Amino acid sequence: GAVVSQHPSRVICKSGTSVKIECRSLDFQATTMFWYRQFPKKSLMLMATSNEGSKATYEQGVEKDKFLINHASLTLSTLTVTSAHPEDSSFYICSAARGEAGGETQYFGPGTRLLVL
Amino acid sequence: AQSVTQLGSHVSVSEGALVLLRCNYSSSVPPYLFWYVQYPNQGLQLLLKYTTGATLVKGINGFEAEFKKSETSFHLTKPSAHMSDAAEYFCAVSVPGANSKLTFGKGITLSVRP
Repeated sequence: GAVVSQHPSRVICKSGTSVKIECRSLDFQATTMFWYRQFPKKSLMLMATSNEGSKATYEQGVEKDKFLINHASLTLSTLTVTSAHPEDSSFYICSAARGEAGGETQYFGPGTRLLVL
Repeated sequence: AQSVTQLGSHVSVSEGALVLLRCNYSSSVPPYLFWYVQYPNQGLQLLLKYTTGATLVKGINGFEAEFKKSETSFHLTKPSAHMSDAAEYFCAVSVPGANSKLTFGKGITLSVRP
């Protein structure tokens, strides 16, 4: 159990276009989902916390107008990179928090590789 | 605030040798602790976690970790390394009741020599 999917797995787009990435918890409901960005050979950088039915909470330095997050249901959160530029190229990973004995645990999606030309 | 320290960036062991990946944490309250593994171009997979109870935690793929409060450590071990264990390993901490937000260490790359 605790499977999280992401779609697409990779995307190439032109500079100035918008890209939407979906994150789904397949076998559990997740009130909270998280979006991370990972640079090569680096750890994960938390971008925002997504709560179902409410506005996302963004980490310091993350542009909320550039990285739009919607968490419309207990199994789906989306990240839209608006007006993408080459510097937005990165590996984006989502996670979903599942309530378990002893506390919540984050389960991660497989990631989305974004390349902006 | 919480923090996680994973000393070194790379560990290399021979196949069949003991794997030891170190993790030290800082937290103002009793933390939850996690180890995740990441294979190239993939997301993170949960290896094991400690929340409460028994301090020696067993996870998948033969890994285990021991929570030592006095040493603020949560080191990951495996008695015998396999080639398939080569990956990036992340230690993480969260505060109970704090929306499950994780603070990650910078990760450590494990290489396994034939």
